[in-house]
Amino acid sequence: GQNIDQPTEMTATEGAIVQINCTYQTSGFNGLFWYQQHAGEAPTFLSYNVLDGLEEKGRFSSFLSRSKGYSYLLLKELQMKDSASYLCAVREEGGGNKLTFGTGTQLKVEL
Amino acid sequence: DTEVTQTPKHLVMGMTNKKSLKCEQHMGHRAMYWYKQKAKKPPELMFVYSYEKLSINESVPSRFSPECPNSSLLNLHLHALQPEDSALYLCASSSGQGQNIQYFGAGTRLSVL
Repeated sequence: GQNIDQPTEMTATEGAIVQINCTYQTSGFNGLFWYQQHAGEAPTFLSYNVLDGLEEKGRFSSFLSRSKGYSYLLLKELQMKDSASYLCAVREEGGGNKLTFGTGTQLKVEL
Repeated sequence: DTEVTQTPKHLVMGMTNKKSLKCEQHMGHRAMYWYKQKAKKPPELMFVYSYEKLSINESVPSRFSPECPNSSLLNLHLHALQPEDSALYLCASSSGQGQNIQYFGAGTRLSVL
């Protein structure tokens, strides 16, 4: 089984930078995904990490440390539309591409 | 294009009804998924089809019956549901290889009365 932890809520200011952390415990790691989900809408894929290091995609970056069971999603130049839930999901080896999601971090961006 | 289309968007049904949820993708993906999501909770995997064969059933009650008629279509047949089955039902698809990223549809909001 897996245990995935994220903060429940975060608040940040428009234009600022925010880091959302995710820690996980798994028996066989095979990738970590970040999704964004606005209320009542589909999760939207943001990033994928399987090797240690930083992956950058525009205003969004994601970091992975497999030895520490740790990832973070970094959002720069925050915009009001970034207010959403951010879900960390882990894939196990031999799991048939099954994703186990963390409980999600609700981010509120304020003026 | 990473579009997964789900119909209907909303569904209200009684406990004795039979209904079906539909999911379609035209990305050539070979894996398709059903998830259930309750309010303020993460998605929970229900079923996985890989190359049109059921590969994962997460111990889902038999009142939920999946069907994969072809590689582009995925159905979820519903029968004798309970009020606690009310949720957002999400479909996803992935290529079946490489990074195998799952792309989600907008979901069907189901209410069981």
